[in-house]
Amino acid sequence: QSALTQPASVSGSPGQSITISCTGTSSDVGGHNYVSWYQQHPGKAPKLIIYGVSNRPSGVSNRFSGSKSGNTASLTISGLQAEDEADYYCSAYTISSAFDVFGGGTKLTVL
Amino acid sequence: QVQLVQPGAEVREPGASVKVSCKSSEFTFTDYHIHWVRQAPGQGLEWMGWVNAKNGDTNYAQNFRGRVTMTRDTSINTADMELARLTSDDTAVYYCVRSSGWSKFDYWGQGSLVTVSS
Repeated sequence: QSALTQPASVSGSPGQSITISCTGTSSDVGGHNYVSWYQQHPGKAPKLIIYGVSNRPSGVSNRFSGSKSGNTASLTISGLQAEDEADYYCSAYTISSAFDVFGGGTKLTVL
Repeated sequence: QVQLVQPGAEVREPGASVKVSCKSSEFTFTDYHIHWVRQAPGQGLEWMGWVNAKNGDTNYAQNFRGRVTMTRDTSINTADMELARLTSDDTAVYYCVRSSGWSKFDYWGQGSLVTVSS
């Protein structure tokens, strides 16, 4: 059970858009639509921001969007704001084993 | 408001065990799976496993099989995670998490810092 692959860091200026990728295999990311994204600020618990590849929980800004192509899921944040600076993690379900797996995390810096 | 309340911190010596509790409120406990996720200092999230709050079924990540036990007590809406044979590599914040769908972790406890040190 290997972690999903995310870039270690991304950066962008206020107002810009950035995209974070999450690459797995046909057994997890590519096998279904059970992919989620989480935002974690320092010292805080993670917060769910995208589930089911592209769905936003109530209260999450529509600046956050998700998509998937093949074995790679993506999180896009548009109109970057200083408060978006955080760590972002993807997760995916593995149907064959009923395991969940996280990506290694991506640190977003807002310049 | 859905809450998952965990103790703040635990300290154990190498070789010992630790049991972390997770008290839930404001939702029907038995309708959900409770997962445990840990995060070592400065590191990413690591999924450990889940317990089905309704029937007690469990599923553990391969890295923890034989060393972790997840249980629940429906009379007090609490889930527990016990990790045995601790080493310094087990020093981490341990989160209990409610899942409302596959890989959909919608509510997180505040985390319990477990420090393994002699």
